Amino acid sequence: KAGVTQTPRYLIKTRGQQVTLSCSPISGHRSVSWYQQTPGQGLQFLFEYFSETQRNKGNFPGRFSGRQFSNSRSEMNVSTLELGDSALYLCASSLLSSGTYEQYFGPGTRLTVT
Amino acid sequence: QKEVEQDPGPLSVPEGAIVSLNCTYSNSAFQYFMWYRQYSRKGPELLMYTYSSGNKEDGRFTAQVDKSSKYISLFIRDSQPSDSATYLCATQGQAGTALIFGKGTTLSVSS
Repeated sequence: KAGVTQTPRYLIKTRGQQVTLSCSPISGHRSVSWYQQTPGQGLQFLFEYFSETQRNKGNFPGRFSGRQFSNSRSEMNVSTLELGDSALYLCASSLLSSGTYEQYFGPGTRLTVT
Repeated sequence: QKEVEQDPGPLSVPEGAIVSLNCTYSNSAFQYFMWYRQYSRKGPELLMYTYSSGNKEDGRFTAQVDKSSKYISLFIRDSQPSDSATYLCATQGQAGTALIFGKGTTLSVSS
């Protein structure tokens, strides 16, 4: 069974631009969660989508948004990029909602904002 | 106070050593406790989980939770160079809530 895939793997953007990251979950998984990982803050939860509905949201500004499609693929968007948005963005899929420890992570998208 | 605290290390040990990785948490409502391993340039992978207090063993790995002291531990016996990675502890309160991660401890096992 194919794992979680994320595209692109690496991205360089300029401050003020916007970016869209994509995540394809494991086949049959309906929940996709997004995390931001930085050396200073570690892994921080952004939001979770389950069956196209946002179920949980972390403590991030409104510049961070996401959506999920009917095939469970998910995208996250960051508008008006800031230097502090440079991070590894990870998505994780699970069979049920994020109320399960069995989350499977993708390799991440490394975003650099200059 | 952060909800989950983890010493970032780095921790360097020789091959064959017993490794102890630890986290503390602040919220007594947390019920589920997990350890993830993350290799360089990869996403985290689930190693072990425990529910409430107690021990759980899987091969060379043992996870331990002490709810009275809000302490989570992962022990690695006979450590191998392939164990070199960052280890992240995570907790969860009620089902349906998000995972809360520690910042991770970087482990290096030298042959």
